[in-house]
This record gives sequence, structure tokens and C-alpha cells, in this order.
Amino acid sequence: ETGVTQTPRHLVMGMTNKKSLKCEQHLGHNAMYWYKQSAKKPLELMFVYSLEERVENNSVPSRFSPECPNSSHLFLHLHTLQPEDSALYLCASSQVPAGGTDTQYFGPGTRLTVL
Amino acid sequence: QKEVEQDPGPLSVPEGAIVSLNCTYSNSAFQYFMWYRQYSRKGPELLMYTYSSGNKEDGRFTAQVDKSSKYISLFIRDSQPSDSATYLCAMRVPGGTSYGKLTFGQGTILTVHP
Repeated sequence: ETGVTQTPRHLVMGMTNKKSLKCEQHLGHNAMYWYKQSAKKPLELMFVYSLEERVENNSVPSRFSPECPNSSHLFLHLHTLQPEDSALYLCASSQVPAGGTDTQYFGPGTRLTVL
Repeated sequence: QKEVEQDPGPLSVPEGAIVSLNCTYSNSAFQYFMWYRQYSRKGPELLMYTYSSGNKEDGRFTAQVDKSSKYISLFIRDSQPSDSATYLCAMRVPGGTSYGKLTFGQGTILTVHP
């Protein structure tokens, strides 16, 4: 495996379900990110973990709960979601501190549908 | 006002055309500018990265930055059907934080038809 991988690629869940999204990076980076991508909207940064510490929580509702057990793995735990949470959830990683040429590498995303 | 404005399109051009994609921004602190390409059902991939005003060329792609006008462009020469994708501009301020926080445009959907 290379780059950034995400599982599952597609997820359909009811509003009362609990599920988790998984991200793994194979690039040796020390920062990981969760983004939400909705139709006709810019990418929205949700959470950032830098050196395994959460450094950004961008006013995300508590029904989204991130977990970063180590610098290679990132999870997004989901519970009691709403239909408007349906979107593409992207994971990214980068090397910090952020220098002039740091780059975020994205995974393929998880397409989430909330019924 | 959004920090980064990008026309969502869609933009449809014939194969071989020159494509111009643009973003404007309001935050003069932005110093690093990126273009990402996102194919359908894939994550964004970095296409171009620049941190100074002027032009940067990479094959058929040219990134242009005009900081005085707060305007960036991506030009694609001799466009191919394989260039059909969504193009996202992104930018950030230098240093100061423990990670490189990016601000994205909405993305422009481009279709190049044979």
C-alpha cells in the first residue's frame, strides 16, 4: 500500500447507527486531517492532528468524533448523524512543521450517505 | 465575502483548446498557492505549487500568481480529454502554526470533449 488509504469507500447508514471511517497514511507524515466535501461547496476542514495531538476542531458537531492512535492512523467515529451530513469525507496527511513546500496528500475519500 | 472565490463552471472545451482557470482571494496574508486536480471518485492530487508572483510552468500546465491583484490562474495548453476533472485552488499563510492550514476554492468542473 502506498499514499493515503481510506476505508470504507462507500457507506450508507441510518440516523441511529454508529460507524467509523478509517484512514491510514504510508508516507511517514506526522500530521493528519479530516475534510468534508459537499456538492458546490469548498472543502471544509474538520479536524487536524499534528504529532498525534488534536490542534484543530473546526466547530464540528459532537456527533463526529475523531481518534488518532498514532501518526499513521486516523479514525472518524460517527453517531446519530443527520441527512445533511451526507458528503465525501477526505483524509489527508502532511509533514509538519509547515515549511514552504509542505504538501497535503489526500486519500480517495469515503462517500457517506445518511438515510 | 468568501476568502477564496472560484467559478464552479462547468467549463466545456474542445480537445486542443487552451483552458484558463482562475481564483481570486481577499486575504493578503496568503503567500503559498496550489492547484489540485480531482478526478471523479478520487481524492484531490497536487498539480502545481507556487509561492511567488509570476509564472511557473510544468509541461502543459502554467500557474500564474498576481499578488497585487489577489488573483491566481492555471492555464492548460493543448487540453486533452484526460484533463477532464474538477480543479481546486488552495492557498495558505506562511509559518506561524504547527500545520499548513489550507483555504480552498469551490472547484471548477472542466470537461474536455474529443
